[in-house]
Amino acid sequence: AQSVAQPEDQVNVAEGNPLTVKCTYSVSGNPYLFWYVQYPNRGLQFLLKYITGDNLVKGSYGFEAEFNKSQTSFHLKKPSALVSDSALYFCAVRDMDDSWGKLQFGAGTQVVVTP
Amino acid sequence: DAGVIQSPRHEVTEMGQEVTLRCKPISGHNSLFWYRQTMMRGLELLIYFNNNVPIDDSGMPEDRFSAKMPNASFSTLKIQPSEPRDSAVYFCASSLRGGTGELFFGEGSRLTVL
Repeated sequence: AQSVAQPEDQVNVAEGNPLTVKCTYSVSGNPYLFWYVQYPNRGLQFLLKYITGDNLVKGSYGFEAEFNKSQTSFHLKKPSALVSDSALYFCAVRDMDDSWGKLQFGAGTQVVVTP
Repeated sequence: DAGVIQSPRHEVTEMGQEVTLRCKPISGHNSLFWYRQTMMRGLELLIYFNNNVPIDDSGMPEDRFSAKMPNASFSTLKIQPSEPRDSAVYFCASSLRGGTGELFFGEGSRLTVL
């Protein structure tokens, strides 16, 4: 079984400050890891993914995430947050051996960026 | 390119009525997933299809829920009869099986059962 934990319900940050959203995962095999963002009344939008290779993954809108196998973490980061980054962020995991491609999502973290 | 298209975007119905939600996946994608989002339970995977065949429906909460995929470009999720606790946002997502697979989500169907 696979699972994802996002330990923070909400993260508050001032505009221009660095933003970090935490995620830890559990899978029986090797993971594929994903971050999605959801704006109010919209669907989930893909931000970035880790499949293999470099542990630092760069994605859309200046976001990046670092895969840490020993800590089973995949934290999302942005060096300088914008007010427009305020949204709900989801981490998701897929077991590499799962050929069907289903994703297990975390509970989500609400990011609030204040001017 | 058109993304995943869901309809209706909003549905308000009364308890006991039948509800049908519709989804058109991205052309060329062969896997389709139905998720439900609520405040209490977050995102739950209800059922998924590959090449129009249901693979796993263990996430469907009750027999009142059913889903079909008659062809590669259309899927439905039906609730009959509906109950107030079915109120949620229902998302459809598609992907290409065998890839490294991010899912592409539709905008969702917000269901309110009174």
